[in-house]
Amino acid sequence: AQSVTQLGSHVSVSEGALVLLRCNYSSSVPPYLFWYVQYPNQGLQLLLKYTTGATLVKGINGFEAEFKKSETSFHLTKPSAHMSDAAEYFCAVIRAGGTSYGKLTFGQGTILTVHP
Amino acid sequence: KAGVTQTPRYLIKTRGQQVTLSCSPISGHRSVSWYQQTPGQGLQFLFEYFSETQRNKGNFPGRFSGRQFSNSRSEMNVSTLELGDSALYLCASSLPDRSTGELFFGEGSRLTVL
Repeated sequence: AQSVTQLGSHVSVSEGALVLLRCNYSSSVPPYLFWYVQYPNQGLQLLLKYTTGATLVKGINGFEAEFKKSETSFHLTKPSAHMSDAAEYFCAVIRAGGTSYGKLTFGQGTILTVHP
Repeated sequence: KAGVTQTPRYLIKTRGQQVTLSCSPISGHRSVSWYQQTPGQGLQFLFEYFSETQRNKGNFPGRFSGRQFSNSRSEMNVSTLELGDSALYLCASSLPDRSTGELFFGEGSRLTVL
């Protein structure tokens, strides 16, 4: 079974500051990992994903994440926060190549607040 | 390319009623998944359909059901509504190739049960 823990339900940063959202996962088999963003009253939008290959993954809107197998982590970062980054962020995991068929396991989410 | 379309976006029902939500996937996507999102439980997987067959199911009572049509459009139904069914119901579609697991989500149907 897979599980995801997002450390910190709320993160607050100043505009221009580094954004770091933490995600640790548990999986008995190699995982695929995702970060999604959700704006108020909207669905989930994929920011980036790790499947295989390069462990540093770049996504949309300047976000990136690094897959660290030894630490079972997949933290999301952005060098300089923008006001438009304020949203809720979800880390998710699915079994690689298995029969999970659409069943992502999500973390509880981290609400990012950006102050001017 | 049009995204995942969910209807209705908002609806209000009373306890004991039933509700049907609709989802049209991205053109060419044949897998449709449904999720329930609540403040307390977060995002929880309901079920997934491919080629009109349910391939995977989450831990929800039998009051929650779904189906998929030959054009890949999907519906989910909740019968005998309870207050706790108030939630945002999200539909997601994907290509049948499970090699990436990437899901594309709609904007959701927000159900309020009074």
